[in-house]
Amino acid sequence: GENVEQHPSTLSVQEGDSAVIKCTYSDSASNYFPWYKQELGKGPQLIIDIRSNVGEKKDQRIAVTLNKTAKHFSLHITETQPEDSAVYFCAAKAGGGADGLTFGKGTHLIIQP
Amino acid sequence: EAGVVQSPRYKIIEKKQPVAFWCNPISGHNTLYWYLQNLGQGPELLIRYENEEAVDDSQLPKDRFSAERLKGVDSTLKIQPAELGDSAVYLCASSQSSGRDTQYFGPGTRLTVL
Repeated sequence: GENVEQHPSTLSVQEGDSAVIKCTYSDSASNYFPWYKQELGKGPQLIIDIRSNVGEKKDQRIAVTLNKTAKHFSLHITETQPEDSAVYFCAAKAGGGADGLTFGKGTHLIIQP
Repeated sequence: EAGVVQSPRYKIIEKKQPVAFWCNPISGHNTLYWYLQNLGQGPELLIRYENEEAVDDSQLPKDRFSAERLKGVDSTLKIQPAELGDSAVYLCASSQSSGRDTQYFGPGTRLTVL
């Protein structure tokens, strides 16, 4: 089955700086890679996703890159703000709609004022 | 558009007691998922439904866990009897169909087993 590794487990950055979270996956058949943001006491909220036929996707201050050859993908947040503080999860999904998502263990992002 | 609804939000029970969680997916979403999230971990899939059919329940501990989605809309996840190690957050998610990747999560039910 799929295995997703996520690093770092905790990331502290100054407000206004950029944050980068990295994930690797094991199953070369995986073709969909979402990123979720989870705030305390809430369910995961989708913030951006990328499919395997695309190398990069951007939505305002958030961008995701995918390297299929190396089987890794990254989340980039620019101009970080206090409200970006949360736990971020990467995930991977195998092709054909057969499976649910396999999640990484999460990154606790702390934005220092 | 209403999101995924789950109830109760919190549940505290003693070990060996039964417990049930309810989920109402986004209207029109045929695929429903139940995930388990332990503290400090990512969600892990328990079961996936396509309409009323459970198409992937390989990770569901069937000795004590059961689930149903009788009319292909709402779903119930049950644990009987509950054990201390079942304390976790139980998340429900839905997507339009198996061919549509985007999954939307509910707020979860936090279970504490004493």
